[in-house]
Amino acid sequence: AQKITQTQPGMFVQEKEAVTLDCTYDTSDQSYGLFWYKQPSSGEMIFLIYQGSYDEQNATEGRYSLNFQKARKSANLVISASQLGDSAMYFCAMREATNAGGTSYGKLTFGQGTILTVHP
Amino acid sequence: ETGVTQTPRHLVMGMTNKKSLKCEQHLGHNAMYWYKQSAKKPLELMFVYSLEERVENNSVPSRFSPECPNSSHLFLHLHTLQPEDSALYLCASSRGQGAADTQYFGPGTRLTVL
Repeated sequence: AQKITQTQPGMFVQEKEAVTLDCTYDTSDQSYGLFWYKQPSSGEMIFLIYQGSYDEQNATEGRYSLNFQKARKSANLVISASQLGDSAMYFCAMREATNAGGTSYGKLTFGQGTILTVHP
Repeated sequence: ETGVTQTPRHLVMGMTNKKSLKCEQHLGHNAMYWYKQSAKKPLELMFVYSLEERVENNSVPSRFSPECPNSSHLFLHLHTLQPEDSALYLCASSRGQGAADTQYFGPGTRLTVL
């Protein structure tokens, strides 16, 4: 069984500073994917960044980077130069690949989420 | 981003009502998903359709009935719901291919059952 743990229910950061949101995972699979999503108060889940288990370099997407430490089973999200619009709930998720119906699909397991508040 | 749309955005219904949630994806994806997000709980996967075939049903009560008439549309039919079914219902889609199969979500339907 897979498990995602986000230990920080809430985080506060000053505008323009960097912040790290923690995520640890537990899996016996060798091949897996790790995702971060942002959920503003409007409700939509917005995909931010992806890291594959075999990727040797940390993923980066603009101001987002993923600090992937495979031996520790952690996949922390780093947001640089925080903006007021970054205030939202952030979810870490892990995919186990499943094959059925003639195609594979990504079955995601989500963590509890971290509420990030950016102060001016 | 209007890749995945959901209607209605808000729904209030009584326990004896029948209603349907609609999801449409414009991304050419092969897999579609329904998730339930209750307060203070992680997202729960409800159903998965791959190439219009239901491939996953996570012990969801029969009062929730999914339908996938084609690869672009997904419905969730609701009947005789309970107050504890009040939640945000999110639809997602993905290509269904490759290791980095990324799911893209719609804005959700916020459901209140009275």
